[in-house]
Amino acid sequence: DAKTTQPNSMESNEEEPVHLPCNHSTISGTDYIHWYRQLPSQGPEYVIHGLTSNVNNRMASLAIAEDRKSSTLILHRATLRDAAVYYCILRALSSNTGKLIFGQGTTLQVKP
Amino acid sequence: GAGVSQTPSNKVTEKGKYVELRCDPISGHTALYWYRQSLGQGPEFLIYFQGTGAADDSGLPNDRFFAVRPEGSVSTLKIQRTERGDSAVYLCASSRTGTGMNTEAFFGQGTRLTVV
Repeated sequence: DAKTTQPNSMESNEEEPVHLPCNHSTISGTDYIHWYRQLPSQGPEYVIHGLTSNVNNRMASLAIAEDRKSSTLILHRATLRDAAVYYCILRALSSNTGKLIFGQGTTLQVKP
Repeated sequence: GAGVSQTPSNKVTEKGKYVELRCDPISGHTALYWYRQSLGQGPEFLIYFQGTGAADDSGLPNDRFFAVRPEGSVSTLKIQRTERGDSAVYLCASSRTGTGMNTEAFFGQGTRLTVV
């Protein structure tokens, strides 16, 4: 699986938007971009995934660069409950296993 | 709730002992995964089951680690002759299927294993 690069940490103020970047310059044409997050003392939880087009769901939006070498997870209005480690993961559609290869992720701190 | 359930939530064992960690996946999910997470690190893949069979066990660190899923539902991760380096949070996840596009994984809360 191709590698992703994320900043180690980011800070945000409550009720402001947050843009979490992810670089994946070696992405292949059939790699899906998945985002998971892990709240303190919890298992990871799915946030969103996409292939080429931008995606929106109730939790977040995913903006994918036209060349697909980078993507950005957007939390439209951060709350204190969004403080977590956010993982950007690539997974090949052709993969015969749904296993996820986690990196270090980005630790998001939300300030009141 | 109907989420992934892991028991026990905490386990303290002595070096050299045998431990079993249990995972109850979401009903109907054919894919089940075990991960291990050390402090400050992302989860590390251990093994993947599709139904009853281990389809990918490439992440198991050595032969002291073994996992089973005899009826395609509950899974047990077994660790023999535990070492202090085995101390970590062991996470279980399940998904509707292991292949294809829609493989959203649902994780349990994990079992914190401490080997003293």
